[in-house]
Amino acid sequence: KAGVTQTPRYLIKTRGQQVTLSCSPISGHRSVSWYQQTPGQGLQFLFEYFSETQRNKGNFPGRFSGRQFSNSRSEMNVSTLELGDSALYLCASSSRQGLSTDTQYFGPGTRLTVL
Amino acid sequence: QKEVEQDPGPLSVPEGAIVSLNCTYSNSAFQYFMWYRQYSRKGPELLMYTYSSGNKEDGRFTAQVDKSSKYISLFIRDSQPSDSATYLCAMSDYGNNRLAFGKGNQVVVIP
Repeated sequence: KAGVTQTPRYLIKTRGQQVTLSCSPISGHRSVSWYQQTPGQGLQFLFEYFSETQRNKGNFPGRFSGRQFSNSRSEMNVSTLELGDSALYLCASSSRQGLSTDTQYFGPGTRLTVL
Repeated sequence: QKEVEQDPGPLSVPEGAIVSLNCTYSNSAFQYFMWYRQYSRKGPELLMYTYSSGNKEDGRFTAQVDKSSKYISLFIRDSQPSDSATYLCAMSDYGNNRLAFGKGNQVVVIP
């Protein structure tokens, strides 16, 4: 079974621009979660989507948004980029049936650098 | 106070030694406890998954959870150079896919 894939792997943007990152979950997985990883804050939860609905949201400003498509693929968007948005953005998928807590499998991440 | 505390100090051990890692947490609702391994330039990979208190062993890896003390541990026996990576603890509560992570420990196993 193919793992979680994320595109692009590397991205360089300038302040004020916006960016869209993509995540394809493991086949059959309906839950996709996004995390931001920085040296200072570690891994922080951004949001989770399940069956095209946002089920949970972390403590990030509204500039961070996401969506999920009917095939479970997910995109994350960051508008008006700031220098502090430079990070590794990780996507994780799980089968997540109802309210159960299931194993999450991570993709390789997208390395975003904001200049 | 952060939800999950993991002393992020690097750890260097000789090959064959036992590696001991731990995390403490403050949220008593956490019931699911995980350890992830992350190699440089890769995403985290699940190593151990434990529900509630107790021990779990998988090969050279042992995970321990003490909910009364809000303390979890990971032990790696007979460490190998291939175990050199960053180890992250993570936890969540029931019905919630939001993982709260520790900051990670960078482990270096010296041949």
